[in-house]
Amino acid sequence: AQKVTQTQTSISVMEKTTVTMDCVYETQDSSYFLFWYKQTASGEIVFLIRQDSYKKENATVGHYSLNFQKPKSSIGLIITATQIEDSAVYFCAMREGNNNRIFFGDGTQLVVKP
Amino acid sequence: EAAVTQSPRNKVAVTGGKVTLSCNQTNNHNNMYWYRQDTGHGLRLIHYSYGAGSTEKGDIPDGYKASRPSQENFSLILELATPSQTSVYFCASGESYTEVFFGKGTRLTVV
Repeated sequence: AQKVTQTQTSISVMEKTTVTMDCVYETQDSSYFLFWYKQTASGEIVFLIRQDSYKKENATVGHYSLNFQKPKSSIGLIITATQIEDSAVYFCAMREGNNNRIFFGDGTQLVVKP
Repeated sequence: EAAVTQSPRNKVAVTGGKVTLSCNQTNNHNNMYWYRQDTGHGLRLIHYSYGAGSTEKGDIPDGYKASRPSQENFSLILELATPSQTSVYFCASGESYTEVFFGKGTRLTVV
């Protein structure tokens, strides 16, 4: 069974708007870590933001923020004031506390239009 | 930020030949990983390592071997390359309980 699921394969938004990308995960661990990565058109994979399961406050970095809903096993990525350069594939990932493996979703393609 | 360097960046290999993909990281991370990415798919874990001398199988290890001779280096070895192994391979490194950092990828074509 897929441990990390991203149901949105592609999203298209207008520049300067806000977009939310969904991600649900599956784990039995009480401690785990959630990440979002961005893969640019050149193929590079860049770490964006992280949420530790024990933290109640949603993480925020620049114009990226997370919507962590622990009871729903959900970790959404919110990008505010989107820019053309935000066009990329976004991957959600999870790392369990007692395991060094990292599980990735299949990614969501974001297209930001001018 | 961690520096993870992969070599070569592009490789064309013949079916049945041996291919070695190399990865070097300079941030003294204990954990290193090899993933492959195929068009339209996410990242699938091939092998990973907890430290020098250790290798562990990931989700798709068949046809691949890994070697971690030192803290800094982690290699992926295809003893008998097949066209189905044509893909983009990513190496990553990181510490426990934290994010990992990726290299720029190696595009492998097996003809």
